[in-house]
Amino acid sequence: DGGITQSPKYLFRKEGQNVTLSCEQNLNHDAMYWYRQDPGQGLRLIYYSQIVNDFQKGDIAEGYSVSREKKESFPLTVTSAQKNPTAFYLCASNGGGTSPLHFGNGTRLTVT
Amino acid sequence: AQSVTQLGSHVSVSEGALVLLRCNYSSSVPPYLFWYVQYPNQGLQLLLKYTSAATLVKGINGFEAEFKKSETSFHLTKPSAHMSDAAEYFCAVSDYGGSYIPTFGRGTSLIVHP
Repeated sequence: DGGITQSPKYLFRKEGQNVTLSCEQNLNHDAMYWYRQDPGQGLRLIYYSQIVNDFQKGDIAEGYSVSREKKESFPLTVTSAQKNPTAFYLCASNGGGTSPLHFGNGTRLTVT
Repeated sequence: AQSVTQLGSHVSVSEGALVLLRCNYSSSVPPYLFWYVQYPNQGLQLLLKYTSAATLVKGINGFEAEFKKSETSFHLTKPSAHMSDAAEYFCAVSDYGGSYIPTFGRGTSLIVHP
């Protein structure tokens, strides 16, 4: 079955370390997205990519970086510049336009 | 610019009672509207989508939503709540003004009592 795979499910890091979250999709979708979820704040867009080798900042891109070298993959790096990185991170994809998003099961990152 | 407001961060109902989750949107152009459900420690799943074909949209698990342009609302309802409906529900809006990137509401946690 097609879907989105995020790994790992749980991730623990020390403050000051960069960490990369993986997101892979086999839905043949052009567009991919990264959202951050905090309790009571809904989903906030970090970065999105509508085509390979191109991506745009979302509402809260500071302290994050991404790459889109392959259609299937859209990894997110949480850098040491991100002031409050502990959160639940969700990757999503769609076929573009107004088609619904398909989500992975998320990565819960804890930084101490 | 588009935005979504979900009234009530928590809604509590008894099993078998009507479920009503409220969503109001703002959009400068005709919007596309979505409801998603999230179970604990999982991603979001699509419940239903409004695309202007019909104002009453039926989704999965017995949920439906009605688009009311005059009220800029897209409330989610279910006639009879089940324990398995307990989850977080998100309303989202997408329009061309935002390059079709969906904007999400803050979510409403549905609590179902036996």
